[in-house]
Amino acid sequence: EAQVTQNPRYLITVTGKKLTVTCSQNMNHEYMSWYRQDPGLGLRQIYYSMNVEVTDKGDVPEGYKVSRKEKRNFPLILESPSPNQTSLYFCASSLLGGTEKGTQYFGPGTRLLVL
Amino acid sequence: KQEVTQIPAALSVPEGENLVLNCSFTDSAIYNLQWFRQDPGKGLTSLLLIQSSQREQTSGRLNASLDKSSGRSTLYIAASQPGDSATYLCAVPDNYGQNFVFGPGTRLSVLP
Repeated sequence: EAQVTQNPRYLITVTGKKLTVTCSQNMNHEYMSWYRQDPGLGLRQIYYSMNVEVTDKGDVPEGYKVSRKEKRNFPLILESPSPNQTSLYFCASSLLGGTEKGTQYFGPGTRLLVL
Repeated sequence: KQEVTQIPAALSVPEGENLVLNCSFTDSAIYNLQWFRQDPGKGLTSLLLIQSSQREQTSGRLNASLDKSSGRSTLYIAASQPGDSATYLCAVPDNYGQNFVFGPGTRLSVLP
């Protein structure tokens, strides 16, 4: 089944404790992206990747890191989480970014609480 | 910088009604526009993607139109059903097709 998977789905952590949220897609998509969703602020893009080893900042990249060493994986790293990073995080992928093959497929989301 | 707005913010209709959701964007130089559905606590499901060269796209009871020059898109839902209750979001990529901007969404309730 074609899908985007994220792990963990739920995570409670403390300020400053490094964490990684994994994202994997099995559709051979070139484009992958991370978003956060907050009440009243909507969905905002954190980072995106057009292909392996190619990543770029979205609208809210502060406090986050990403890597794209393999086509299928795009982990989101919080080196030193803070309470303002408490949010619902989504990973998404598409065949070719914002083009005619740009339909984005979303993962189920990761709900993060930073105490 | 691209900004996307959606009207109305919320909508409640009786089952069977036809309805229209609106999406506006400030920069008309877009590659495409995508409509999504989000159920509470769930991820987003793609409904329709309209290319910049297209005027409309249809899937079942859904029809999305795009007017680039005026910076508007509409999502038409025919014969609404309670199962259509969800939040509907539109999104556009930037000029390079990479950075996506989402609208705030329209929360739809279809009453039986």
